[in-house]
Amino acid sequence: GQQLNQSPQSMFIQEGEDVSMNCTSSSIFNTWLWYKQDPGEGPVLLIALYKAGELTSNGRLTAQFGITRKDSFLNISASIPSDVGIYFCAGQSYAGGTSYGKLTFGQGTILTVHP
Amino acid sequence: SQTIHQWPATLVQPVGSPLSLECTVEGTSNPNLYWYRQAAGRGLQLLFYSVGIGQISSEVPQNLSASRPQDRQFILSSKKLLLSDSGFYLCAWSVTLADNEQFFGPGTRLTVL
Repeated sequence: GQQLNQSPQSMFIQEGEDVSMNCTSSSIFNTWLWYKQDPGEGPVLLIALYKAGELTSNGRLTAQFGITRKDSFLNISASIPSDVGIYFCAGQSYAGGTSYGKLTFGQGTILTVHP
Repeated sequence: SQTIHQWPATLVQPVGSPLSLECTVEGTSNPNLYWYRQAAGRGLQLLFYSVGIGQISSEVPQNLSASRPQDRQFILSSKKLLLSDSGFYLCAWSVTLADNEQFFGPGTRLTVL
């Protein structure tokens, strides 16, 4: 099946620093999604990307859909303590029929922000 | 607005006991519904998905089963739990066909002893 390689696996940063994480795949995706998960809760959708080259912002978060359609990155600017959590990328590659809507998830990046 | 609920929030069950987890969605019709398992806070594994009432697709061979008795209700079951069934179970929904964005419920923490 399809696999996503998400890196880094974890990050320890100081409050105010910028953060960058990315996902790569050997397969082409039609959609890239970025989620954040707080401890003990379900993932929350942060940003959705639908076109190669697309750059989308959501507050201090910026994500881009790679030109090759095989990668995506997420940047967080001026991190704050509430940014702590696990960030997941997810890709969808529509191959027709029953594969529609199914997402492939990365393994997550654990972000720790020190005040 | 749409909301998704999962019940119970936490569950501790002995090995060999049955399981029933419930997921309900409000504020939308004909959603695609999904069950995921997350082990050790990392990586979401798709277990089942459903595009309509009574329509269930299984992604991986396992000890679990799923049912969709109503449009906005999705149930995850087992007749006999295994230790390896422990984990964080997440239900998600998406708009049928036209939308790739999935929205997750709060999850159920299952511990099998």
